[in-house]
Amino acid sequence: GEDVEQSLFLSVREGDSSVINCTYTDSSSTYLYWYKQEPGAGLQLLTYIFSNMDMKQDQRLTVLLNKKDKHLSLRIADTQTGDSAIYFCAPNQGGKLIFGQGTELSVKP
Amino acid sequence: GAVVSQHPSRVICKSGTSVKIECRSLDFQATTMFWYRQFPKQSLMLMATSNEGSKATYEQGVEKDKFLINHASLTLSTLTVTSAHPEDSSFYICSARDPPGEQYFGPGTRLTVT
Repeated sequence: GEDVEQSLFLSVREGDSSVINCTYTDSSSTYLYWYKQEPGAGLQLLTYIFSNMDMKQDQRLTVLLNKKDKHLSLRIADTQTGDSAIYFCAPNQGGKLIFGQGTELSVKP
Repeated sequence: GAVVSQHPSRVICKSGTSVKIECRSLDFQATTMFWYRQFPKQSLMLMATSNEGSKATYEQGVEKDKFLINHASLTLSTLTVTSAHPEDSSFYICSARDPPGEQYFGPGTRLTVT
């Protein structure tokens, strides 16, 4: 089955860029998603990328996909304290989302 | 955007009792809903896929007789944890898939079994 790996923690200063990385094993994923989870809350869809794209930009968010290396990244420009949360990448495999462990982003003022 | 609600948001029940959690899509019809379980500081584990009008499909290792899922309408799915034990304490999250195929998540239900 699909295996999705993320680093567990990332700490940045306010105003810097954050880059959250994700690797996956199933190359058949057609859509790959990024979700944000704040403490005690559900998941908020941030953005997604289709597998035939290399890059997608949406305001402060940039998603890069290296399909050959099965590597996905999420870049948050001008990171704010309100961006502190856990970020999950989730490739879509056969209609199901397979979640990584989540990366806890800490933004220091 | 599409909204999914869950009720209750928090529930405490005694060991041996059953508890029902509701998941509703508020502004769209969802033929498919998903139930996840999340332990502290861990990822979401898919428990089952619920299709309206048919039996749920459970993931390997999930006891279907313990976690009863009903998807009786296009906007409502329920998860009933039967004969709850303390190890069932967890954060349960549902999601609903809209017609174009996007999944929207509910806010989660914190279950504590004492």
